Amino acid sequence: QSVLTQPPSVSGTPEQRVAISCSGSRSNIGTNYVHWYQQIPGTAPQLLIYRNNQRPSGVPDRFSGSKSGTSASLAISGLRSGDEADYYCATWDDSLSGVVFGGGTKLTVL
Amino acid sequence: EVYLLESGGGLVQPGGSLRLSCETSGFSFRNYAMSWVRQAPGKGLEWVTTIRGNGDTTYNAESVKGRFTISRDNSKSTVYLQMNSLRVEDTAVFYCAKDVYESGTSEFDYWGQGTLVTVSS
Repeated sequence: QSVLTQPPSVSGTPEQRVAISCSGSRSNIGTNYVHWYQQIPGTAPQLLIYRNNQRPSGVPDRFSGSKSGTSASLAISGLRSGDEADYYCATWDDSLSGVVFGGGTKLTVL
Repeated sequence: EVYLLESGGGLVQPGGSLRLSCETSGFSFRNYAMSWVRQAPGKGLEWVTTIRGNGDTTYNAESVKGRFTISRDNSKSTVYLQMNSLRVEDTAVFYCAKDVYESGTSEFDYWGQGTLVTVSS
């Protein structure tokens, strides 16, 4: 049972927009930045969105993040087959004094 | 260019010990916290432990407290994970990850390729 709650899976068709939610509490999302990681099967995770809504260089603007209260969301527009991956939200938890990850969401492009 | 290269994984019996290393290059190692994150087969990411840049403070997941110890040698740009009293449920790919700050956050801008630890009799 992860501290941050994500849907196990989402799917969409090419060019569609999907959103992945990440729900937490006051001690984690409510207080700290949320970051999103993309993990293509068989590879290491990569930072996709940092500090709620910032994109590292090289990440297309089809990917966007937002945060409100104790929840965060990752949106992907203009879906492509190459976006198929597992997506994880992460943040610091002040009560646990440690990093917490969401359980991960598997994105399938139909 | 930033590199993180883990080593030391392998097969170990329950109750045994293993020491992982993560050699790094391409950045001012002492200025950044380093973490270990693991992923059990077919499962999600689980944070294990973090050490601040100067090595004076560590943070550990409850699941590994008292069994795993993170350390670093800033002169060698290397971070270590000493794992004792290993359990079958510790079986996972272990990744080392570079933080963007000295103090430790959850913002990891670089990851190693991972090393597999298998705990089995």
